[in-house]
Amino acid sequence: AQSVSQHNHHVILSEAASLELGCNYSYGGTVNLFWYVQYPGQHLQLLLKYFSGDPLVKGIKGFEAEFIKSKFSFNLRKPSVQWSDTAEYFCAVPSGGSYIPTFGRGTSLIVHP
Amino acid sequence: DAMVIQNPRYQVTQFGKPVTLSCSQTLNHNVMYWYQQKSSQAPKLLFHYYDKDFNNEADTPDNFQSRRPNTSFCFLDIRSPGLGDAAMYLCATSLRVFGRNNEQFFGPGTRLTVL
Repeated sequence: AQSVSQHNHHVILSEAASLELGCNYSYGGTVNLFWYVQYPGQHLQLLLKYFSGDPLVKGIKGFEAEFIKSKFSFNLRKPSVQWSDTAEYFCAVPSGGSYIPTFGRGTSLIVHP
Repeated sequence: DAMVIQNPRYQVTQFGKPVTLSCSQTLNHNVMYWYQQKSSQAPKLLFHYYDKDFNNEADTPDNFQSRRPNTSFCFLDIRSPGLGDAAMYLCATSLRVFGRNNEQFFGPGTRLTVL
């Protein structure tokens, strides 16, 4: 079965610091890779997704992710975080036999003002 | 605003007492999903409907059932809740299962407590 690894479970940064959250998966993942975000007290929502084409994907609020097929990775980045980026971030990658994504366990990001 | 609604937001039940969680959507999406999420764990897919076609995950316990009487509503029935079923239950929808429009839209979740 597909496994999705998010190596950083808890990340604490100061405002304006750069962010990179890792996401690795075990196989497949050639289409429809996702990052979802859950802000405090809110529901999960789409941050960005890769479907095809340019492996560097731009999302909302200045986030981007790079799909590196050879490394089975889809890392999330932001050059300068803000306090409002404090949230839980989930990577999701489809299993080989299904298009429905398997979620990673999430990374909790806290940004200090 | 189009949205995914879950009721109730918090549900307390007793060990072994059946419980039903509700999800509705105004997005007119074809696909509806139920996930179970325990603390500090990934959301785990229980099952999904594509229109009326029900798809159960292989490792979803028989204790969990689902109904989708129409496009807008989907229910999660837990026939005999155990202490291990205490979790957040997330409902999600998507227009398609695959292709460009398969991103999921989530509801706020129902927190289930089993006493």
